[in-house]
Amino acid sequence: EPEVTQTPSHQVTQMGQEVILRCVPISNHLYFYWYRQILGQKVEFLVSFYNNEISEKSEIFDDQFSVERPDGSNFTLKIRSTKLEDSAMYFCASSEVAREQPQHFGDGTRLSIL
Amino acid sequence: AQKITQTQPGMFVQEKEAVTLDCTYDTSDQSYGLFWYKQPSSGEMIFLIYQGSYDEQNATEGRYSLNFQKARKSANLVISASQLGDSAMYFCAMSAYNFNKFYFGSGTKLNVKP
Repeated sequence: EPEVTQTPSHQVTQMGQEVILRCVPISNHLYFYWYRQILGQKVEFLVSFYNNEISEKSEIFDDQFSVERPDGSNFTLKIRSTKLEDSAMYFCASSEVAREQPQHFGDGTRLSIL
Repeated sequence: AQKITQTQPGMFVQEKEAVTLDCTYDTSDQSYGLFWYKQPSSGEMIFLIYQGSYDEQNATEGRYSLNFQKARKSANLVISASQLGDSAMYFCAMSAYNFNKFYFGSGTKLNVKP
């Protein structure tokens, strides 16, 4: 069964550094999402992406964050100048259409900021 | 503003018994979607079941059913015949009218006892 893949599984970065989290959504999916889950807390929506542009973003998704689909397969989340509070699990998800279709989640990237 | 509330931080259930996980929501949208996801200790997010706001029948998927009470704004998950492998964190989520933005509850940790 096709799946969403995320790399790396764990990223350790110094505070202030830039980090890029990578995702390969399922190939025929059109809608892409990033979520964040701080340890022990709920999953928080960051951004949705369709047709090469951001559809929606949350209050968390400020100028520090950006997303890109650089080619036909990858979907990336860039955090420009990381802060300690960016430490979290970051999930990528994709869905075939937006309505009533489940989002398929990747296994996540655990980001640790030192 | 949209909001999802899960009031049960933890639940215990005996193996083979049924359990209900509560979820209430608040939205001014007429069209929205409700989802349940399972997160085992390994961390991945697994889609369980979906209910659309205009669906008149309660959704069912195998041992999972969603008790949707629109007037009360509740979307409780019922797991029948609990299994040890059901022990996990369960998240209720709601999509906004355009299904481009999602909100998660704080989760319920379910422990199934042998």
